[in-house]
Amino acid sequence: ETGVTQSPTHLIKTRGQQVTLRCSSQSGHNTVSWYQQALGQGPQFIFQYYREEENGRGNFPPRFSGLQFPNYSSELNVNALELDDSALYLCASSLRTSANTDTQYFGPGTRLTVL
Amino acid sequence: AQSVTQLGSHVSVSEGALVLLRCNYSSSVPPYLFWYVQYPNQGLQLLLKYTTGATLVKGINGFEAEFKKSETSFHLTKPSAHMSDAAEYFCAVNAGNNRKLIWGLGTSLAVNP
Repeated sequence: ETGVTQSPTHLIKTRGQQVTLRCSSQSGHNTVSWYQQALGQGPQFIFQYYREEENGRGNFPPRFSGLQFPNYSSELNVNALELDDSALYLCASSLRTSANTDTQYFGPGTRLTVL
Repeated sequence: AQSVTQLGSHVSVSEGALVLLRCNYSSSVPPYLFWYVQYPNQGLQLLLKYTTGATLVKGINGFEAEFKKSETSFHLTKPSAHMSDAAEYFCAVNAGNNRKLIWGLGTSLAVNP
């Protein structure tokens, strides 16, 4: 069973640029959630994808967008980067069940630095 | 709305001492609660979770937590701290139908020799 993987591990961009982060979900999982973790803070929910559809969104502007592919991998896209976008971006995969007891398993994260 | 409060942003214990990390939650629906650990420059690793049933939950690395509905708490404990336990610990609550996790701000655990 393979775990959640993310790429790249580190990324440096400048203000105004666009970035794409990638996540491969754990084998057998059908749901991917993305979180932003600023330095010294807890993770903040960006959005979740289930069966290629967005299934909930946190308080992030539209320049944060995502995709989920048929193999359940996912991308997070951020346009018009701002300095405050510098953070660790975490992807978590889970198997959605009828009960509300999904457990999310996290990848190692992508550290994004915006200069 | 759901929320999580972790009391104490920094906790320091001696090796071999009891570890107690506090978490209180607020939820309008029966909560599902989680503890995750984060080592420096790494992602989050699940320690344990409470969904339903037994209120004392055992996790990995000797940690356990007890769900106390009357106190809206889910404190994490370990009888004897090890140097390798030094890390950031996060408590989270599952918030409703979209399964998103609401997180506390984290507690940094230091273990002194």
